[in-house]
Amino acid sequence: GQQVMQIPQYQHVQEGEDFTTYCNSSTTLSNIQWYKQRPGGHPVFLIQLVKSGEVKKQKRLTFQFGEAKKNSSLHITATQTTDVGTYFCAGWRNNNDMRFGAGTRLTVKP
Amino acid sequence: DTAVSQTPKYLVTQMGNDKSIKCEQNLGHDTMYWYKQDSKKFLKIMFSYNNKELIINETVPNRFSPKSPDKAHLNLHINSLELGDSAVYFCASSRRGGGAGANVLTFGAGSRLTVL
Repeated sequence: GQQVMQIPQYQHVQEGEDFTTYCNSSTTLSNIQWYKQRPGGHPVFLIQLVKSGEVKKQKRLTFQFGEAKKNSSLHITATQTTDVGTYFCAGWRNNNDMRFGAGTRLTVKP
Repeated sequence: DTAVSQTPKYLVTQMGNDKSIKCEQNLGHDTMYWYKQDSKKFLKIMFSYNNKELIINETVPNRFSPKSPDKAHLNLHINSLELGDSAVYFCASSRRGGGAGANVLTFGAGSRLTVL
């Protein structure tokens, strides 16, 4: 079955440093989504990438979808304490087949 | 408020008991899900219903039985609770198909189940 691998599992940064999490799928994806879960909260949708090589930005967050549509990354520039949480990628193969990555737990030291 | 709401938020119970978690969405979505999140934060799909029909049924013990009385509700009943069932259970919903916003999951706040 489809596997979505996400690394790193944990990342601890100093406020102001950059952060990146990576997702790799064993199969070609139709699209990939990113979600953020704050501590004690529930996952909240951030963005969806559909096209090969697509890059989208949301303020300090940059999302990329690989040319082969098998990998994706989320990069945060100059982290802030409000960025704390677990970031999940979700790879869709079709309408019925989606898998979450294991998540990257980000902590930010002020 | 438009949302996915699930009850109860917290559930503490003894091993061997039977319990239910309810979920309702008023977003007009046609697909609903149950996810289990363990202590390591991994989100594992359990079930998915589209228009009241079961479309995803992962390898979940028979003790877990979902019920979807209509498109807006998906309840989860658990029989003979075990220690390993302790987790946070999230309900989610989405709209299938194409177009902007399709297949974007909206999650409920979660139900934390503790089995003693």
